[in-house]
Amino acid sequence: DAGVIQSPRHEVTEMGQEVTLRCKPISGHNSLFWYRQTMMRGLELLIYFNNNVPIDDSGMPEDRFSAKMPNASFSTLKIQPSEPRDSAVYFCASSPRLAGSRDTQYFGPGTRLTVL
Amino acid sequence: GENVEQHPSTLSVQEGDSAVIKCTYSDSASNYFPWYKQELGKRPQLIIDIRSNVGEKKDQRIAVTLNKTAKHFSLHITETQPEDSAVYFCAAISNSGYALNFGKGTSLLVTP
Repeated sequence: DAGVIQSPRHEVTEMGQEVTLRCKPISGHNSLFWYRQTMMRGLELLIYFNNNVPIDDSGMPEDRFSAKMPNASFSTLKIQPSEPRDSAVYFCASSPRLAGSRDTQYFGPGTRLTVL
Repeated sequence: GENVEQHPSTLSVQEGDSAVIKCTYSDSASNYFPWYKQELGKRPQLIIDIRSNVGEKKDQRIAVTLNKTAKHFSLHITETQPEDSAVYFCAAISNSGYALNFGKGTSLLVTP
């Protein structure tokens, strides 16, 4: 099992540019989460997908952020335009989300985003 | 929503000593409590979890206890080793929800 895969691992961009982060969940997992981690705010949930459908995007900071999950094996998080305050580590996590229970979330290696 | 408080924020122990990290939660409906270990520059990794139908769970040198009445749970690491040095996060999730609400983390340093 390859685990959750994220790309790129590091991204450095200039303010105003579009940034796209990618995630491949663990095969067979039907729930996918995007988190942001900063020193000030810790780990924050941005958006949650279940069976490829966005269930809760209340954590998305503003309209500059958008996320998609076109199929069970791929999701993207896009920031357009990017701002320096978006600099953080972005984690994708997946979970089997078995019916009637809440299961462990497995984190990807993260994407360290720096917006200059 | 759920609010998870974690203490202490930093903890330094000598190798071989025990370490205890405590968390409290606000939602009485919470029923799943994982603990994650995050080494510098790495992903959070699950080390142990507990569900609300049990009071204690052990895995070698690591144990977690849960007090549902008081709404707090704790991580216990015995015979600490330098490789236990990391940031530890507690989290809680309620049966009515799906998102993990994380504590702010405890930076554990184990000195030889």
